Amino acid sequence: QVQLVQSGAEVKKPGASVKVSCKASGYTFTDYFMHWVRQAPGQGLEWMGWINPNSGGTSSAQKFQGRVTMTRDTSISTAYMELSRVRSDDTAVYYCARQSISDDSYGYSYYFDHWGQGTLVTVSS
Amino acid sequence: SSELTQDPAVSVALGQTVRITCQGDRLRTNFASWYQQKPGQAPILVIYGKNIRPSGIPDRFSGSDSGNTASLTITWARAEDEADYYCNSRDSSGNHWVFGGGTRLTVL
Repeated sequence: QVQLVQSGAEVKKPGASVKVSCKASGYTFTDYFMHWVRQAPGQGLEWMGWINPNSGGTSSAQKFQGRVTMTRDTSISTAYMELSRVRSDDTAVYYCARQSISDDSYGYSYYFDHWGQGTLVTVSS
Repeated sequence: SSELTQDPAVSVALGQTVRITCQGDRLRTNFASWYQQKPGQAPILVIYGKNIRPSGIPDRFSGSDSGNTASLTITWARAEDEADYYCNSRDSSGNHWVFGGGTRLTVL
């Protein structure tokens, strides 16, 4: 069965960097884009970006451009999200989510069919 | 606009039907997907494409779309349906995705 297992909680000081990992199993890692989504305490879901594990290509939300780096290690089926220069408002649960594609007579649909358990990142001085 | 707009909160009586909506220009050309999130848990996919339910999602959940609006309908609402619901869609390039602000569903 598909599993996405994320690294443990982190506490960082403002200005530091944080790197979260997402280890995939139960499917061919390079066949599916991996997205990163975060959720601040009491807030909604916020899309951060995606990585194509096959090519290493990435795309990120404008809000995070220049601060987020998404990478992968195909030898261990693991995706990484590193956020630099963190601030207190980066305190959130960070999720990885596998993106699937479906094609039927109505056209293509794109969706997140499996999610990691989430990683709490706390930014505090 | 590149945003997706949802009502912040909706309530439904036990056993009744509720519709949760999501509006946005990108929905005219891209399907929405819908996620249920309960406190302290990761989101789960409940509807995608033209009303497709993943395995394990009850047929009480259904989706529809019209113009710039996608809808999630829950029939015969149960206490266990009480959760936050989020819509999501990508833009036509596939480079940028966005979530709606979420709708908190209360089952009375």
